[in-house]
Amino acid sequence: EAGVVQSPRYKIIEKKQPVAFWCNPISGHNTLYWYRQNLGQGPELLIRYENEEAVDDSQLPKDRFSAERLKGVDSTLKIQPAELGDSAVYLCASSFAAGLTYEQYFGPGTRLTVT
Amino acid sequence: LAKTTQPISMDSYEGQEVNITCSHNNIATNDYITWYQQFPSQGPRFIIQGYKTKVTNEVASLFIPADRKSSTLSLPRVSLSDTAVYYCLVDTGGFKTIFGAGTRLFVKA
Repeated sequence: EAGVVQSPRYKIIEKKQPVAFWCNPISGHNTLYWYRQNLGQGPELLIRYENEEAVDDSQLPKDRFSAERLKGVDSTLKIQPAELGDSAVYLCASSFAAGLTYEQYFGPGTRLTVT
Repeated sequence: LAKTTQPISMDSYEGQEVNITCSHNNIATNDYITWYQQFPSQGPRFIIQGYKTKVTNEVASLFIPADRKSSTLSLPRVSLSDTAVYYCLVDTGGFKTIFGAGTRLFVKA
């Protein structure tokens, strides 16, 4: 079974440019997460989807970040415009259901460098 | 939200048993304890999850005392490939997943 797929794996952009990350979760997983991981730190949750609905986006910087999950499958995370401080690894994860017990499956991440 | 406290780093030698303890004093009744492993340039990988007492799978054991204010991940007979960052999380069904800084385990030959 294929795991969580993310693309691109690496992205280098200049500040003020837009950038988008794509995630394809494991088939059948209705919960999708986007995380940001800075160097030497643990992942930080940005947004969580239950099917098409963003049920927790409290940590998403809404002035420049946006996300969507059309049809409850693939998801896209966008930054516009990017700032130097946005350089990080952006991780996507999925799980079967956000019940009392669960296991999140993570993709390899997209490493963003903003110059 | 329950926060966790783990040692920043640990060293071990191949073949030894490694125990990483996580403190979570404010764990809620419905919270489960989950441990993830992360290698460089990869996303975290689920290791084990438990609610109380002891859980064992093919890669690790998780010991949780009755008060559930701490937990210990036990890795039997570690090898060089177990060098990674290990994260302890407490939450209810992924509703508010908070990763700490994790414990960096270095396994030496």
